[in-house]
Amino acid sequence: VQLVESGGTLVRPGGSLRLSCAASGFTFTKYWMSWVRQAPGKALEWVANIKQDGIEKYYVDSVRGRFTISRDNAKNSLFLQMSNLRAEDTALYFCARFFRGTVMAFDLWGQGTLVTVSS
Amino acid sequence: EMVLTQSPGTLSLSPGERATLSCRASQRVSDNYLAWYQQKPGQAPRLLIFGASTRATGIPDRFSGSGSGRDFTLTISGLEPEDFAVYYCQHYDSSPSLTFGGGTKVEIK
Repeated sequence: VQLVESGGTLVRPGGSLRLSCAASGFTFTKYWMSWVRQAPGKALEWVANIKQDGIEKYYVDSVRGRFTISRDNAKNSLFLQMSNLRAEDTALYFCARFFRGTVMAFDLWGQGTLVTVSS
Repeated sequence: EMVLTQSPGTLSLSPGERATLSCRASQRVSDNYLAWYQQKPGQAPRLLIFGASTRATGIPDRFSGSGSGRDFTLTISGLEPEDFAVYYCQHYDSSPSLTFGGGTKVEIK
């Protein structure tokens, strides 16, 4: 059971980037999925959630309109398309499984992929 | 907008001692949707507690959560060497939005 992120790199302000997360070992289609980020030395910050069907999506205010979460259930993959990137988007981006129902928490995490926004 | 304030920022304790970590919400937490995570340097967070007081799978019983309304507590009954880490609380609301606290670092005294 694991999540493996990829796609993080150095990008210039205003640029775009697409992060990917490969899920394995569990039934991907049963779960909401999320992105959570952590700026260097800072606390965790929820970024976005997506429902099992890929239609219902939610974002933190600071990324709404710039980031798009999506998923490919046939490939057990989660994505985060990031555009108009800012220095404050610099962070380690975690893919996480969001367990709803009575839990309402992130019960499985990847190791993260680092996004650095700098000129 | 929900704000979670964790205190203290840093807790300096010795192995075997009891750790008491606080998470105060700016608004009432409905349905006790309050979770706790442990994060060690260079690692992803690990879910410890959900529903304010239910231990996640595989979490030792020295970890316990309590509280309701706006005030929540994570207690580690006897610190083991592997428990020195940063701990975060997290809230879910129906908007839906998820919020993390600023974290409490438990360090070796």
